[in-house]
Amino acid sequence: DSGVTQTPKHLITATGQRVTLRCSPRSGDLSVYWYQQSLDQGLQFLIQYYNGEERAKGNILERFSAQQFPDLHSELNLSSLELGDSALYFCASSVEGGSAGVALNSPLHFGNGTRLTVT
Amino acid sequence: DQQVKQNSPSLSVQEGRISILNCDYTNSMFDYFLWYKKYPAEGPTFLISISSIKDKNEDGRFTVFLNKSAKHLSLHIVPSQPGDSAVYFCAAISAGKSTFGDGTTLTVKP
Repeated sequence: DSGVTQTPKHLITATGQRVTLRCSPRSGDLSVYWYQQSLDQGLQFLIQYYNGEERAKGNILERFSAQQFPDLHSELNLSSLELGDSALYFCASSVEGGSAGVALNSPLHFGNGTRLTVT
Repeated sequence: DQQVKQNSPSLSVQEGRISILNCDYTNSMFDYFLWYKKYPAEGPTFLISISSIKDKNEDGRFTVFLNKSAKHLSLHIVPSQPGDSAVYFCAAISAGKSTFGDGTTLTVKP
């Protein structure tokens, strides 16, 4: 058990709709990362938050947004959904102190993902 | 442009033999490398890592080798066990940001 909780496990929705994916990081971890894994593809980095603030942005569409709340849980909002948005969405957390050194290289702890199906 | 590549989508090995998974990267700014293992219906889990200042790191049956001049790393699993059957992702870190390869599916046959 990684200590990272993602809900829901599965989500089926129609095109054009909006969904919210939720992530609770491992206790003590300040950074939350969101990744998208489409069929048979690798993990594509979407966005990272550190202690409530956006830290880094990857290939995240404008239709997608995220935030990290004071209790450090995070939500990924996906709107105007398209068929191509169907994927596994992983949340990960890490001990990341924001300074150079070991903390920046700490492994990511992943949740079990949310499988989104857009029909 | 994919900065981290795992060119073999799959690998099949007999139990007890060595499994070698390969990963190539293009960005010379990567300073830390990790391998993750993923079972179906679960998230990836950290397996082993190596700093760019080293060329080898060993943890039990798992050894990671880094060849900086070739921008290549490999994961050796000896001896391979059926429970090692999973998808293996290599990841490279630069400035705290992890970039993942597409993964290699390892099947260890009893």
